[in-house]
Amino acid sequence: NAGVTQTPKFRILKIGQSMTLQCTQDMNHNYMYWYRQDPGMGLKLIYYSVGAGITDKGEVPNGYNVSRSTTEDFPLRLELAAPSQTSVYFCASRGRGGNTGELFFGEGSRLTVL
Amino acid sequence: DQQVKQNSPSLSVQEGRISILNCDYTNSMFDYFLWYKKYPAEGPTFLISISSIKDKNEDGRFTVFLNKSAKHLSLHIVPSQPGDSAVYFCAARNTGNQFYFGTGTSLTVIP
Repeated sequence: NAGVTQTPKFRILKIGQSMTLQCTQDMNHNYMYWYRQDPGMGLKLIYYSVGAGITDKGEVPNGYNVSRSTTEDFPLRLELAAPSQTSVYFCASRGRGGNTGELFFGEGSRLTVL
Repeated sequence: DQQVKQNSPSLSVQEGRISILNCDYTNSMFDYFLWYKKYPAEGPTFLISISSIKDKNEDGRFTVFLNKSAKHLSLHIVPSQPGDSAVYFCAARNTGNQFYFGTGTSLTVIP
């Protein structure tokens, strides 16, 4: 079972460059999320989606964009990379049913902006 | 504002003893609370959860307690094992299906 897959695992960007972090899940989950984790900090919600075609801002959306054209994919776009966006990014998903509220996470993408 | 707080950055416990990790929250509208475990260079993995309508949930060595009046939850691990050494995140879900995480507690179980 692949679960939630994130690419790339590592990336170094120069200030002002753009890139897309890819996230795909094969569990037919409705909900998908992007988080960032800074050293010594918890996970902060960037954007989330409750289904294909629907996205919404989380706690720290500035500098990012997302799209959700399919149930499986939820890419995160950085348009003008800044050093403050150096972080580890986690994508997560969950199904609509179930009684645990559990999120399934990818392994993370470590981004450094120099 | 941090809606979910873990005030202890680290905890060390002897193998076989009880580990107690604490978490406080501010939003009374949270309807689910969860604990995640995270190893370095990996994504968080789900450990145990509790609905806001319950006060205790148990799964093997792991028990989560919820005190709604105090807006406090705790994770008990008994007995603690060296493999439990990891960072533990507390999380809470609101009715809009957004999940908020604490800053984590690094647990070290000493053999």
